[in-house]
Amino acid sequence: QVQLQESGPGLVKPSGTLSLTCGVSGASISSSYWWTWVRQPPGKGLEWIGEIYHSGIINYNPSLKSRVTISIDKSKNQFSLKLSSVTAADTAVYFCARESLESYFDYWGRGTLVTVSS
Amino acid sequence: QSALTQPPSASGSPGQSVTISCTGTSSDVGRFNYVSWYQQYPGQAPKLVIYEVTKRPSGVPARFSGSKSGNTASLTVSGLQAEDEAVYYCNSYAASNNLRVFGGGTKLTVL
Repeated sequence: QVQLQESGPGLVKPSGTLSLTCGVSGASISSSYWWTWVRQPPGKGLEWIGEIYHSGIINYNPSLKSRVTISIDKSKNQFSLKLSSVTAADTAVYFCARESLESYFDYWGRGTLVTVSS
Repeated sequence: QSALTQPPSASGSPGQSVTISCTGTSSDVGRFNYVSWYQQYPGQAPKLVIYEVTKRPSGVPARFSGSKSGNTASLTVSGLQAEDEAVYYCNSYAASNNLRVFGGGTKLTVL
């Protein structure tokens, strides 16, 4: 059974950097899947942030590209998200997910709420 | 890249059928058969219900079906049940910048 679990601080100060990690169990992060971050502001819809493949290929949402870094740690079977210069608009539930090569998200983490506030 | 367009709400009575549309462009929905649909209950992660336009994952009831015509994809829920009340999101691959783009979501109410 594939499981994903987000972890990281639930509170980040404005202008700071949001850092989250997604631990993967039941599947190898080096398998033929993309590993993706999606966020959802309170009461709003889903927004794709970006994705990484184990070979190092990374795709970002152009609207966030200047502030986002996604990385992968094969030794720990996990991948990470960093979002810099955060504002209140970055307050959201952040989900990690596994994405097939055919661009669908078949396994999701439970999500973690990150609040940007001083 | 703009979000895909979905109606904000849809409704139907138990046993009826409801169809939710998802309109994109010739660069995403119209160009690729990489449209997927997700069901989300409050406080939970989204769940995949349709992928590659028409395919159902194991465990998803056959009441859920998908289709596409031109730049518009559709999700149909037949024989509505109370448990189908949720928000549904579509997603598509978009060629520009290797994007994945979501629709704004449709809240399905079972009357």
